[in-house]
Amino acid sequence: GIQVEQSPPDLILQEGANSTLRCNFSDSVNNLQWFHQNPWGQLINLFYIPSGTKQNGRLSATTVATERYSLLYISSSQTTDSGVYFCAVGSNFGNEKLTFGTGTRLTIIP
Amino acid sequence: DAGITQSPRHKVTETGTPVTLRCHQTENHRYMYWYRQDPGHGLRLIHYSYGVKDTDKGEVSDGYSVSRSKTEDFLLTLESATSSQTSVYFCAISDRLAGVGNEQFFGPGTRLTVL
Repeated sequence: GIQVEQSPPDLILQEGANSTLRCNFSDSVNNLQWFHQNPWGQLINLFYIPSGTKQNGRLSATTVATERYSLLYISSSQTTDSGVYFCAVGSNFGNEKLTFGTGTRLTIIP
Repeated sequence: DAGITQSPRHKVTETGTPVTLRCHQTENHRYMYWYRQDPGHGLRLIHYSYGVKDTDKGEVSDGYSVSRSKTEDFLLTLESATSSQTSVYFCAISDRLAGVGNEQFFGPGTRLTVL
């Protein structure tokens, strides 16, 4: 099956810093989502982005499907951005099923 | 909020007992999914459903069964719970819409502990 790798596994930043999270995947996809899991365990949808670029406030994401990677940018980090960020992909053969990466744990220090 | 609820939210049970987790949705979504989340593994798909009485296996389906007799309910059953099934279980929903895709939305999760 498709493999998903996220980097870095852990990231500790000062409040106000910018960050870039990366997601590499091993096969063609027609579904790619970024999630934020907050400290209470809730999974929050950030982006549905199988290709192209999207922005939502301080967050933006870019997926380059031909090169099999996606990037999540967080600018001017706030303590509420802390948590685990997951990338999940659905391959061209069975896009109903998401395969998750193991996540990037982001800690924002005041 | 995609109108997804899970019950119970927390459960402690003993090895060998049957357990059923319920996922309920109120917005007539076609696809429903069960995932489990364990440290170091992210989320992994257990089973999914693409309609009433239509289900299929995911990557970690051994020891689990599912049923969907109504659009709004997707049940996950552990016939005889084992300690390796201690996990957090998430339900998700989606619709495959032309031009929009197949974005999945997740419920609040159920924390299951098998002693």
